[in-house]
Amino acid sequence: KQEVTQIPAALSVPEGENLVLNCSFTDSAIYNLQWFRQDPGKGLTSLLLIQSSQREQTSGRLNASLDKSSGRSTLYIAASQPGDSATYLCAVFGTSYGKLTFGQGTILTVHP
Amino acid sequence: DGGITQSPKYLFRKEGQNVTLSCEQNLNHDAMYWYRQDPGQGLRLIYYSQIVNDFQKGDIAEGYSVSREKKESFPLTVTSAQKNPTAFYLCASLPTANSYEQYFGPGTRLTVT
Repeated sequence: KQEVTQIPAALSVPEGENLVLNCSFTDSAIYNLQWFRQDPGKGLTSLLLIQSSQREQTSGRLNASLDKSSGRSTLYIAASQPGDSATYLCAVFGTSYGKLTFGQGTILTVHP
Repeated sequence: DGGITQSPKYLFRKEGQNVTLSCEQNLNHDAMYWYRQDPGQGLRLIYYSQIVNDFQKGDIAEGYSVSREKKESFPLTVTSAQKNPTAFYLCASLPTANSYEQYFGPGTRLTVT
C-alpha cells in the first residue's frame, strides 16, 4: 500500500526566506508526483507535476524535484511572500493502484 | 471554459437524510474521483470511476454510493449509514493517458446536524 508523508507538518517563516517542503513515498511504481496548493475552504490548485521519468519541474519561484529511487520529492519556494501562505499537498499517482495517494500536507505561514 | 463544477458550495442536512453532491466536468476526461477531507488532514479516496458505467471503491467507501451514467457526471450520495458525514468533499477528473494529471473542483462543504 502506498503511503505518502510530508515534513514538516507546519512551517512559519519571515517574508523573503527560501524554504523547502519535503515529501516521501513508499512505493516507487508511480506515473507522476503532483504538488498542490490549498487555501482555506477552497479546492486544490495544481502547482507542479513531475512525470516519473523527470527529475524536476520549475514554475516561477517554485521548483520541485523527484528522486523516484529513494521515494522523495522536495518543493523549493524562493523568496517567500505572505501570499504563499497556504497548505501544500503532495500526491503520487501509482501504476499499481491507478489513483492518487495524498500526504497530510504542510501548513505554510509567511509573515511580513 | 473547461473545468470541474461542484454544487452546491455549502450543504446542510439533518442526520438520517441521504444527500447527493453534484460533480460535472467538461474536460472530456475518462476518470473521475471523489475525495473527503477532514480538518487538518489530507484527502482520502471515497470512490473512483475510470469509465462510464463502472466504478470502484476507494479507501473509505462505507456509507457512500455513486453512479456514472454519463462521462461528464459523477454524483456522490452520502447515505444515512455514513457515521460522520460532515466534511469537505472534493471531486476530481483525470485523462487516462499521457500526463495523468488530476484536476480538482472547488469542493462542497457538507454539514450534518
